[in-house]
This record gives sequence, C-alpha cells and structure tokens, in this order.
Amino acid sequence: ETGVTQSPTHLIKTRGQQVTLRCSSQSGHNTVSWYQQALGQGPQFIFQYYREEENGRGNFPPRFSGLQFPNYSSELNVNALELDDSALYLCASSLDSGTGDTEAFFGQGTRLTVV
Amino acid sequence: GEDVEQSLFLSVREGDSSVINCTYTDSSSTYLYWYKQEPGAGLQLLTYIFSNMDMKQDQRLTVLLNKKDKHLSLRIADTQTGDSAIYFCAENDYKLSFGAGTTVTVRA
Repeated sequence: ETGVTQSPTHLIKTRGQQVTLRCSSQSGHNTVSWYQQALGQGPQFIFQYYREEENGRGNFPPRFSGLQFPNYSSELNVNALELDDSALYLCASSLDSGTGDTEAFFGQGTRLTVV
Repeated sequence: GEDVEQSLFLSVREGDSSVINCTYTDSSSTYLYWYKQEPGAGLQLLTYIFSNMDMKQDQRLTVLLNKKDKHLSLRIADTQTGDSAIYFCAENDYKLSFGAGTTVTVRA
C-alpha cells in the first residue's frame, strides 16, 4: 500500500472523446508524475508536476494535459482519444527536495480502453 | 524506455536463484531502481542502488552495479512462486526511464 490512489480503476471510452483521470498523492508529497504503460511495454513518462507547475514533459502530444492542485492531487486529461491511447495510466508521487533523486510511489493505475 | 534495455523473459525453477540483467545509458543517474509489477497491478519498488555503490543486499535481493559498463543486475535468491511477475529496471534523471520489463516465470 503506497498511499497513492487513482480513480477510476477501469474506464472505457469511445474514439474522439475526452477523459480525465485522477490521482491522490501520498500525504506530504509535492511532486506527481504520470506514465503511460501500453500492453507489453514499460511505462513511458508523460509529464511531471511540482508544486502545481509542469516540471517536465515526455514525448506526448498537447492533447495530453494535466493539473496539480494545492493539495498536490492531480489530474491527467486526454482529448480526442485515439485507439492507441488504450493503456494503463500510472501516477507516481514523490517528495522532491530539489535534487531530482527521490523515491516515487506508484498508484495501482487506471486501465483505459478506447474503442 | 529505449535508453534502458532488459532481456524479456526468464524461467526459473522454484528454489533456484534468478538473475535479471539491465543496461542503461544515462551515466548521470544518481539512483537506479528495480520495480516489480504483478498482473493487473501498479509498480512496486523492490530496491534501489545509489550510483556510487557496487552492491546492495536486501534480504533475498542483491543488486549489482557496474558503472563502467552501465550494467545493473538483480539477483533473487531462493525464488518462490510469488516472485512470478514482470521486473523493470529504471534510471532516474528527474523522471524515471524504464526498460520494457523482464517476465519472470517460476516453475515448480
């Protein structure tokens, strides 16, 4: 049990729709990162938020966007869903002291299926 | 994870040792990690090693790091059926870069 919770656990959407995934960080953590894990692959970094500001972004199009709230919970929004967006979306929270090297705790993920 | 490479599959007999290998590219990574993922679940941090260490032991787990060759390995002693999972190594340069994962199957 990492203290990081994601909702919903499973979701089915139609191509072209929009989706919002939510993550509640572990208490005291100020940094949240989102990863996409396609079937049979390792997680790929989408972006990271530190104290409500985007702090780095991976190779994902602008239709992937996010928010971090004052309580450090976070949302991942995906617009104009495509079939290839079907994946497990993982949220990880950490306490960043500024060095960038810190232990990340993962949630159980949201399984998104786009049909 | 194109910067981190792992072998894809490992089959091991129950009670034997498992060794999972990984190569990485970012020599500036301060920490290197091993995560475990069971079916339908998120990632569980198993262990990590600081880049100035050569070895770290944690109960049944031993991590070896060869910085010159950028090679990381995870040895699981006395492998049990509960160790069947996918194992990911990851390097950290503010974000985690993962390999594709090694599927470990433990047979009786």
